[in-house]
Amino acid sequence: GIQVEQSPPDLILQEGANSTLRCNFSDSVNNLQWFHQNPWGQLINLFYIPSGTKQNGRLSATTVATERYSLLYISSSQTTDSGVYFCAVEGGLTGGENKLTFGTGTQLKVEL
Amino acid sequence: EAQVTQNPRYLITVTGKKLTVTCSQNMNHEYMSWYRQDPGLGLRQIYYSMNVEVTDKGDVPEGYKVSRKEKRNFPLILESPSPNQTSLYFCASSLSLVRLAASEQYFGPGTRLTVT
Repeated sequence: GIQVEQSPPDLILQEGANSTLRCNFSDSVNNLQWFHQNPWGQLINLFYIPSGTKQNGRLSATTVATERYSLLYISSSQTTDSGVYFCAVEGGLTGGENKLTFGTGTQLKVEL
Repeated sequence: EAQVTQNPRYLITVTGKKLTVTCSQNMNHEYMSWYRQDPGLGLRQIYYSMNVEVTDKGDVPEGYKVSRKEKRNFPLILESPSPNQTSLYFCASSLSLVRLAASEQYFGPGTRLTVT
């Protein structure tokens, strides 16, 4: 099945700093989403972005499907950005249809 | 408000006592799915349903049952829960998940289950 790798696994930022999270995947995808899991465990949709670039406030994401990676940019980070960021993909020629395959996440902590 | 709801949100139970976690969506989505999240293992799919009366196994179906009698509901049933089913469970839905029409998945708030 499709493999999803995220980096870095852990990240500590000072409030106000910018960061880039990366997601690499091993096959072509029909669906790619970024989620934020908050400290209470809830998964919050950030972006649905199988290709191209999207922006939402301080967050933006870019997926280069032909090169099999996606980037999530966080600018001017705030303590409320803390949590785990997941990339999840669906599809691929080698199976993995009908479900999202999640990466192992990036644990982000934003400190004052 | 468009949403996926799960109940209960928290549950502590004992080994062998049958339980059901409900999932409901109000977006008229065709596709629904259950995942479990465990430390170090990420989220893994348990079962999914492409439409009413159509269900199929995911990666970790053992010990679970599902049904899809109505489009909006997709309950997860643990006939005889065991401690290794202690986990955080998520229900999700999307308009469709057919290869050529993949669409965004929406997740419920999660159900934290502890089996003692």
